[in-house]
Amino acid sequence: RKEVEQDPGPFNVPEGATVAFNCTYSNSASQSFFWYRQDCRKEPKLLMSVYSSGNEDGRFTAQLNRASQYISLLIRDSKLSDSATYLCVVNQSGGSYIPTFGRGTSLIVHP
Amino acid sequence: DAGVIQSPRHEVTEMGQEVTLRCKPISGHNSLFWYRQTMMRGLELLIYFNNNVPIDDSGMPEDRFSAKMPNASFSTLKIQPSEPRDSAVYFCASTPAANYGYTFGSGTRLTVV
Repeated sequence: RKEVEQDPGPFNVPEGATVAFNCTYSNSASQSFFWYRQDCRKEPKLLMSVYSSGNEDGRFTAQLNRASQYISLLIRDSKLSDSATYLCVVNQSGGSYIPTFGRGTSLIVHP
Repeated sequence: DAGVIQSPRHEVTEMGQEVTLRCKPISGHNSLFWYRQTMMRGLELLIYFNNNVPIDDSGMPEDRFSAKMPNASFSTLKIQPSEPRDSAVYFCASTPAANYGYTFGSGTRLTVV
């Protein structure tokens, strides 16, 4: 079983739609979690951290479910500019934090 | 803040040649990571340094790969000899602490022919 798993997609949605991605992790001792966005031929960029209580940043909402070992990202009112690959990151705890990336979920927002 | 700076942006080399990739982390960030990204395998962590000391190099594929961090503002990843299967985008990232997330450089796109 992979340490961090994501549905690769692509998720193909119209502008204005709401879309959600999940990411599961295998290490129950994982400590911190993030969502990154990567555009084609660019570096990954931090989108938002994921807190235990859940957090929101504009149209984006991230949640953590420790019992089921997954994190989620919800995007409301999708824009064309949201088209990208969304990577989840889990910090595996084992003496020192080791960031492990999922393979990413591709989102295509069309007019 | 100039961000994480990597060089070169692109490198094309012949099989068997030595390749050196360079990274300057953000000032004050005490952890530095080298990743490799391919379509087949996604982002793979190669090695990570904390306060210039290598902490985990279990992701380094084989002895042909080596990484150094002689000071807080510079790191290198060397491949010698290079092989076509090393072709990938190599990213360097840094962070001040694990809970802050990671800032990536623009990457080096390596092609070994």
